[in-house]
Amino acid sequence: AQSVTQLDSQVPVFEEAPVELRCNYSSSVSVYLFWYVQYPNQGLQLLLKYLSGSTLVKGINGFEAEFNKSQTSFHLRKPSVHISDTAEYFCAVSDRKNTDKLIFGTGTRLQVFP
Amino acid sequence: NAGVTQTPKFQVLKTGQSMTLQCAQDMNHNSMYWYRQDPGMGLRLIYYSASEGTTDKGEVPNGYNVSRLNKREFSLRLESAAPSQTSVYFCASSPLHNEQFFGPGTRLTVL
Repeated sequence: AQSVTQLDSQVPVFEEAPVELRCNYSSSVSVYLFWYVQYPNQGLQLLLKYLSGSTLVKGINGFEAEFNKSQTSFHLRKPSVHISDTAEYFCAVSDRKNTDKLIFGTGTRLQVFP
Repeated sequence: NAGVTQTPKFQVLKTGQSMTLQCAQDMNHNSMYWYRQDPGMGLRLIYYSASEGTTDKGEVPNGYNVSRLNKREFSLRLESAAPSQTSVYFCASSPLHNEQFFGPGTRLTVL
């Protein structure tokens, strides 16, 4: 079974500052990894995903994440945030051989201040 | 291409009432899912359907039933609503072995 830990429930940051949202996972098998974003009163949309290949994954809106197998981490980064990045961010994992289910972390609320 | 649609957007029920949440997708995806989202708990899987005609329990199935009516539609039924079922409900769909696409959600309040 897999599990996901998002270490920070809230991350406040000023506009144009860099940000890192942390995600660690636990699994006894190989996994696929995802980051989703949820803007207020909306559903989730995919930011980026790691399936295989390069461990540095680039997504939409200038976000990127790095898969670190030895640290079992998949941290999300952006070098310069905007007010419009204010949202909830969810890390998720699925088993490579049984991709029917996604296991979500509890979410990190990114609040960008002017 | 509407993606994943959910109805209704909002609903208020009294304890003991029943209702069905509707979900439809137009992306020809095989798998469909129902989640609930509660503050501080992320998304928890209620039921899922890996293909037309099959359904399986997720993490929190108690108090819910589902129907995979056809490949497009996957409904969630609350037979006797309880205040603990106050939540935001999301439907999602997925092509085989790929990421999930989410609907806009249904905000349900049970008084």
